[in-house]
Amino acid sequence: EVQLVESGGGLVQPGRSLRLSCIASGFTFGDYAMSWVRQAPGKGLEWVSFIRSEPYGGTTQYAASVKGRFTISRDDSKSIVYLQMNSLKTEDTAVYYCTRVNSDGSCYSYWGQGTLVTVSS
Amino acid sequence: DIQMTQSPSTLSAFVGDRVTITCRASQSISRWLAWYQQKPGKAPKLLIYKASSLESGVPSRFSGSGSGTEFTLTISSLQSDDFATYYCQQYNSFSITFGQGTRLEIK
Repeated sequence: EVQLVESGGGLVQPGRSLRLSCIASGFTFGDYAMSWVRQAPGKGLEWVSFIRSEPYGGTTQYAASVKGRFTISRDDSKSIVYLQMNSLKTEDTAVYYCTRVNSDGSCYSYWGQGTLVTVSS
Repeated sequence: DIQMTQSPSTLSAFVGDRVTITCRASQSISRWLAWYQQKPGKAPKLLIYKASSLESGVPSRFSGSGSGTEFTLTISSLQSDDFATYYCQQYNSFSITFGQGTRLEIK
C-alpha cells in the first residue's frame, strides 16, 4: 500500500524558515517524481514544486509564487522528499500535501494527509 | 500560465441525478487533464486522468471527456458519497494549474 506521511508543519513567524518532510512507503521511491501541492484555508489547490526522479536528472520546478524562497529535494536512500521554505509570508499559510506524480508526469495518483503551515506574527 | 475555469462553482442535486461539471482551459492542453474529488478535511483523490481514463478503483459512474480547451466530468447517478468538491487540473509543458473547484451539494 502506498503511503505518504508529511511532517514539519507548524506556526512560524513571517520571514522565518521551515522544512517539511514526506516519508514514502509501499513503492519504489526512486522511480517516481514527487511534488508538493498546497491549499490555503477555505481555498483551492495550488501546485508548489516538483522534483523528477534521479534517472531523469532529479531536476526541479517551482511555482512563481515560491520560486527563490522554497527548495525541494529528495533522499532516495531514505524515501523522503523535503520542502525547505525560507522567507515565509503570511500568504504561504496552507495545508501542504506531498504527492506522488503519475508515471507520465501529468497528475497525482497518491496524496499524503497534509501538514498545516501557519505563518503569523 | 494556463488558466482553468470550472463551472458551475456550486451545484445542487439529488441522489440519483446525472450531473456534469465543465472545465475550460485558456489555451489548448490536448488531453492533459485530470479530475479530483475532495471531501472536507481530506486530501484530494484522483478520479480521471488524461481526460477520460478512469483511475483504478474509481466507480464507473464517473466519466470524463473532452480535449483541447473544453472538458467535462459526468457522474451518471449521484450517490450520497459523491457530495464533495471537484477540481480539474491541467498539465502542459510542465505547467500545472488547478481549477477553482466545484462544490457539489445535496438538494
